[in-house]
This record gives sequence, structure tokens and C-alpha cells, in this order.
Amino acid sequence: TQLLEQSPQFLSIQEGENLTVYCNSSSVFSSLQWYRQEPGEGPVLLVTVVTGGEVKKLKRLTFQFGDARKDSSLHITAAQPGDTGLYLCAGGYNFNKFYFGSGTKLNVKP
Amino acid sequence: GAVVSQHPSWVICKSGTSVKIECRSLDFQATTMFWYRQFPKQSLMLMATSNEGSKATYEQGVEKDKFLINHASLTLSTLTVTSAHPEDSSFYICSAAGVNAYNEQFFGPGTRLTVL
Repeated sequence: TQLLEQSPQFLSIQEGENLTVYCNSSSVFSSLQWYRQEPGEGPVLLVTVVTGGEVKKLKRLTFQFGDARKDSSLHITAAQPGDTGLYLCAGGYNFNKFYFGSGTKLNVKP
Repeated sequence: GAVVSQHPSWVICKSGTSVKIECRSLDFQATTMFWYRQFPKQSLMLMATSNEGSKATYEQGVEKDKFLINHASLTLSTLTVTSAHPEDSSFYICSAAGVNAYNEQFFGPGTRLTVL
């Protein structure tokens, strides 16, 4: 059983489209992180959110932490082929243990 | 900053042998290091949490006698897969935390283990 469920699992879109990835759990986290991973490499940290309701923007990426700190979303505006990858959310307990979501594989076609 | 290295990047070994994987934080002191396992097209599964100078905390279902973790210094943790079998073949990734109060973790590039 996955502690964090991500949806959708797979997403294939055209360049220029917008998309949202969701990360849901029944657990409350002290922090939530989003990562992007390329095949054969380690995940790269995109953002950390710690406050319920927090919204962070990173260029075309917008991250939101749910008010109850149980869920999060990642919105990408005007997706580009370079955004292709596996997107992972990770929930942290007491900032000392992290569990990863099931992952969303994004493919952006030129 | 916050660079983590892993060595080796890939290893092929015979069944029954042991393999050691190193994880180093290159430009910061890692109070905590984590070891994950990742199967193809799947997410990361936390195997164990390691704090410098103390015993690792293993997740349920992970055999501590099979996956030996040593965290001897603030910049080095090792994972030894003992008596490896083909089902241990996987992508092993470490991460290190301790850069800031949020304990953000930074990942190594991973080690691809293939057991023949």
C-alpha cells in the first residue's frame, strides 16, 4: 500500500499544454517535497513546502500544499519537452523520514 | 552546493557475493542519510534511515542482516548487500539531509546492481 498516491500515473501531452499532478494521502506531513527524476539518475529536488495552504512558484511550475498538509499539487504551465520525466512527491515526518509517492511519468511531445 | 555522490554507479556480481555501495555528501555534513531502492518504472521505496554514529533504522520488511548500513562519519554512509541474489538486482539510491532545518534531502546519482 502506497502511503502517498499520485495521479495521474502517466501523462502524455503536447508542448504548450498545461497540466496538474496530484499527490494525496490520509496522513499529515511536516513537509512535502517534489522531485523530478530522469532515467538512471537520482531525483532532483524541485521544491519543499511546509505550511498548510502554501503556494510556491518556480518559473512555469506552481506547487501548492493543502491546508491540512495531507495533499499537494504541481501545476505546469505551457509544458515543454524538457519537462519530460518522472515527477515524485515525498512526504516528510518530523523532517526526519520521507516516503515517496507512486510517481507520475510525464511525456511532453514537441 | 548539496552534492551527493555514490560509488560505484553500476556493479555486476555473482550470486552469493557481497557488494558495498558508498554514499558521500561532498560539500555538507549529513546528519541523516537515507537508502532507497527503486524497481523499473516504479517509485522509490525507503529501505532505512541512518544517523551518524548510531544504528540504522530499517523499514518494515527490509532485512537488516542482508542490507548492512554503516554511517561512520557525517559525510559517508555505506550499504552492503550481503550474499546477493538475482532478486536483489535493483537501482539503489541514497540521499543525505542536514543542509537546513527542513532536513531537505539531496540524492546521489544511484547505483545499478545486477546480480547474475
